[in-house]
Amino acid sequence: QSALTQPASVSGSPGQSITISCTGTSRDVVTFNLVSWYQQHPGKAPKLMICEGSKRPSGVSNRFSGSKSGNTASLTISGLQAEDEADYYCCSYAGGNTYVFGTGTKVTVL
Amino acid sequence: EVQLAESGGGLVQPGGSLRLSCAASGFTFTTYWVTWVRQAPGKGLEWVANIKQDGSEKYYVDSVKGRFTISRDNAKNSLYLQMNSLRVEDTAVYYCARGYYDSSGYCYGFDIWGQGTMVTVSS
Repeated sequence: QSALTQPASVSGSPGQSITISCTGTSRDVVTFNLVSWYQQHPGKAPKLMICEGSKRPSGVSNRFSGSKSGNTASLTISGLQAEDEADYYCCSYAGGNTYVFGTGTKVTVL
Repeated sequence: EVQLAESGGGLVQPGGSLRLSCAASGFTFTTYWVTWVRQAPGKGLEWVANIKQDGSEKYYVDSVKGRFTISRDNAKNSLYLQMNSLRVEDTAVYYCARGYYDSSGYCYGFDIWGQGTMVTVSS
């Protein structure tokens, strides 16, 4: 149950696209394409942005998209906006009804 | 309004116990898996435990097995986390969260979160 690996920080200018990676192992990301992504603003509860690898819950902007290749899941934010500045966490199903979160990535809008 | 609201956090000495509660409202509690997730100060999220709709299945992260017990009372629309033998490293904000279902079924994510309750383990 080791945390998935994310970059500590990613930055971009308004309007640009950025991608956050989430690297796992055969115990989680590789075996299960069941990664979810969360946005967390300071002092707030996390918000679900992507589930089951690439599905967007209703109400989530289509500027957010998810994908996976091999042992790495990715969250892409296109048309970066000031309100996208937050911490982002991936989370993978790890079998046996357990889950593992990523280390978290701070997104800065320049 | 669909809501989860945690309570029961506080300051406890190492080795002590605490029981967290999570009150659900605005949705049919009995039809959802529910989960506890914690976040140590300045740190990332950690999945702690979850429980099936009828309480028949419960799962834990290794670091809390044998010390924490998740339970639910569907008649009261409530989720609980009994925490025993608390350690300094259990200090965190504890969130309860609901499993997310879309039109295809369970989507392996958590869509509704409470505001969190702070647990501090310190002498």
